[in-house]
Amino acid sequence: QLQLQESGPGLVKPSETLSLTCTVSGGSISSSSYYWGWIRQPPGKGLEWIGSIYYSGSTYYNPSLKSRVTISVDTSKNQFSLKLSSVTAADTAVYYCARRDLTIAALDYWGQGTLVTVSS
Amino acid sequence: DIQMTQSPSSLSASVGDRVTITCRASQSISSYLNWYQQKPGKAPKLLIYAASSLQSGVPSRFSGSGSGTDFTLTISSLQPEDFATYYCQQSYSTPGFGPGTKVDIK
Repeated sequence: QLQLQESGPGLVKPSETLSLTCTVSGGSISSSSYYWGWIRQPPGKGLEWIGSIYYSGSTYYNPSLKSRVTISVDTSKNQFSLKLSSVTAADTAVYYCARRDLTIAALDYWGQGTLVTVSS
Repeated sequence: DIQMTQSPSSLSASVGDRVTITCRASQSISSYLNWYQQKPGKAPKLLIYAASSLQSGVPSRFSGSGSGTDFTLTISSLQPEDFATYYCQQSYSTPGFGPGTKVDIK
């Protein structure tokens, strides 16, 4: 059974860079059938797609966040990572990693999510 | 940028009720529309993909329909475990989610 697990600091200071890693187990991140992505959800609010990456390193980002986002992949560790720079309190959210199945064009597996709070 | 709207934003229903949620896209997205269910403190769960295809393991009381700009999610007979928030998501272009519809107990 495929599992995704987010990890990283739960508290980040304003203006600093938020860094999270998603570890994939039970399947290979190098499959040609999937993209791997990040989605976030501010407390009490809706879902916002951040961006996605293919195992080859090809990325696409939400235009509203593109200037601050970098997503990378490490196939040797079966992991992909998110960096969000110059964070403010508005970036406080639960951050989810997920798999996008290209066949069905949907997010079919999700991590449990991790809360990141931006505060001094 | 494709904008997604949902209606209603919330609804109250009873066990056994038929529930319909509507999602509208600001431009045609063909059938590139997915539905997710989210319970408090949990990650979203894929219910329906490609507007009307039921994800494996999802009960058959859930169904989806529509194409172009207008879509619906129907729960034929609401069960206690269905009280949750439902999101539509377009995968036609840069992925985007609707604002959600919260289904709670009447």
